Amino acid sequence: EVQLLESGGGSVQPGGSLRLSCAASGFTFSAYAMNWVRQAPEKGLEWVSSISGSGSNTNYADSVKGRFSISRDNSRNTLYLQMNSLRGEDTAIYYCTKNDYLGGPDYWGQGTLVTVSS
Amino acid sequence: SYELTQPSSVSVSPGQTARITCSGDMLPKKYARWFQQKAGQAPILLIYKDRERPSGIPERFSGSSSGTTVTLTISGAQVEDEADYYCYSAADNVEVFGGGTKLTVL
Repeated sequence: EVQLLESGGGSVQPGGSLRLSCAASGFTFSAYAMNWVRQAPEKGLEWVSSISGSGSNTNYADSVKGRFSISRDNSRNTLYLQMNSLRGEDTAIYYCTKNDYLGGPDYWGQGTLVTVSS
Repeated sequence: SYELTQPSSVSVSPGQTARITCSGDMLPKKYARWFQQKAGQAPILLIYKDRERPSGIPERFSGSSSGTTVTLTISGAQVEDEADYYCYSAADNVEVFGGGTKLTVL
């Protein structure tokens, strides 16, 4: 059974940093690309970043480019999102998602809440 | 940048057919997916590759595609289908979700 468990969310002041983690199990982690997707309060889903199975290729939404960094440790079956220079508009639930062989998300974690406020 | 456009809301009575559309210039060339998100829960995958249904998804959920529009059809909608529905596609290293459609079944 595929399981994705996010952690690392919390409250932070504007300009601060957080690192999110996503522990994966139930599949061959290194074989699949992974994503971070976020959802601001009462808003829709927004793709944030993706990373290939090997970790060699990464992509970012324009809204986070230069501030966020996605990475993975295939030996630990863990996905990361380093978030710097956080802004109020980054307040959201952050979901970790697994991609399938076609390249789109299939499984989602339960999410971790990030609140950016002074 | 790519955009996917959905109606903000759709309303049907129980047992009726609900149709939710998603429009975007990328859709003739790129597959779409549909996700269902119930209140307070993470999204789940309903449809991939425009019309394919993962195992465990009820047959009343189906997908279709025509030109720049993909459609999610719920045949015989049930009260438990009340949720937000999002379309998704990807192109040129960018992944995009539609704005979401709130389905009301009452």
